[in-house]
Amino acid sequence: DAGVTQSPTHLIKTRGQQVTLRCSPKSGHDTVSWYQQALGQGPQFIFQYYEEEERQRGNFPDRFSGHQFPNYSSELNVNALLLGDSALYLCASSRSAEDNEQYFGPGTRLTVT
Amino acid sequence: GQSLEQPSEVTAVEGAIVQINCTYQTSGFYGLSWYQQHDGGAPTFLSYNALDGLEETGRFSSFLSRSDSYGYLLLQELQMKDSASYFCAVSSNYQLIWGAGTKLIIKP
Repeated sequence: DAGVTQSPTHLIKTRGQQVTLRCSPKSGHDTVSWYQQALGQGPQFIFQYYEEEERQRGNFPDRFSGHQFPNYSSELNVNALLLGDSALYLCASSRSAEDNEQYFGPGTRLTVT
Repeated sequence: GQSLEQPSEVTAVEGAIVQINCTYQTSGFYGLSWYQQHDGGAPTFLSYNALDGLEETGRFSSFLSRSDSYGYLLLQELQMKDSASYFCAVSSNYQLIWGAGTKLIIKP
């Protein structure tokens, strides 16, 4: 049973560019949440997707957008990258939107230069 | 606003017991979760408390007092592999709000 997978593992971008990160949830899970984790900090909630809709959003600007596909996989898009967007981006899936146990992928390390 | 406070670092000896505290201030509280994260790894779910009291899962236990906005994670019979960062996180309005994490250092 495959767990949560994310791609790519690492990514280097330049300020002003756009990036797309991808996530496949654990088998049987239909809810995907995205987090940003800066070095030495706790994860910050970006948004959650359920039934292909953004269900809840954290305190992140509109430059951060996402999508969920019919197979429950998800994408995180970040436009007009800033140096401060450099972080580990984590995807987590759960059995339902009400399930409190989240399974995390290994993350994508994004570096903006 | 919403905030969680936990100690930044805790040191303990192998085989001992350690308690990591978490206090929170948030609206729309549903429950308190604990996650473990090894350096370079992904967070791993440890426990979830929605009601007051103690939940035990093997060597790990978690406690919640909703009236005090307080919880703790208790780790018993510490092993070197327990060296990691531990995060408390509040479920609030369909999102998880995380603390800054407690780095647990275990000495032989």
